Amino acid sequence: GAGVSQSPSNKVTEKGKDVELRCDPISGHTALYWYRQSLGQGLEFLIYFQGNSAPDKSGLPSDRFSAERTGGSVSTLTIQRTQQEDSAVYLCASSLGVSGANVLTFGAGSRLTVL
Amino acid sequence: QQPVQSPQAVILREGEDAVINCSSSKALYSVHWYRQKHGEAPVFLMILLKGGEQKGHEKISASFNEKKQQSSLYLTASQLSYSGTYFCGTGYQGAQKLVFGQGTRLTINP
Repeated sequence: GAGVSQSPSNKVTEKGKDVELRCDPISGHTALYWYRQSLGQGLEFLIYFQGNSAPDKSGLPSDRFSAERTGGSVSTLTIQRTQQEDSAVYLCASSLGVSGANVLTFGAGSRLTVL
Repeated sequence: QQPVQSPQAVILREGEDAVINCSSSKALYSVHWYRQKHGEAPVFLMILLKGGEQKGHEKISASFNEKKQQSSLYLTASQLSYSGTYFCGTGYQGAQKLVFGQGTRLTINP
């Protein structure tokens, strides 16, 4: 597609429920990132995928968070047993490659509210 | 490893200048600058690679001081459209992820 597509744009859930957030990167982009942005805060790195390499999961805050990327394209971020502190905007970004010189293109984000 | 941005917030009148700084505790390979308007996704402004270069984009430019491990973003003769939160993202040699600072909120008033 022309840009990075994320769905849903808004998700309201009850504490304890599981949620799935989807990211469809730009066609041809081999690198995919997930970031979390809490209200008024910066961009917190969560996880990074590059091609067929093992993902860099160093930013995942707990084992309730997981992500996968199927076929080197679409990615799903799953949060199990959601907590109120998980409320945030989850941003996905993609880029052409692995180096720090590659420009990231961000999606519009998925706003998660946990009641 | 997260870069430190300063100041955290700036309020200017239209036409004034601003400087936003980004410092790292580790040797930098690249610095990215992004701007995020309220409720929108961050948008790429420019990228600087190690070598002490300076780049310009209309009235927005940036420098990269490899020795000091820092970058500065310069906004001259600011316009209302410059309002938003500015993030620096730092890349490190051999590391694949881009780490962002906490952001600098810039408000431009008429």
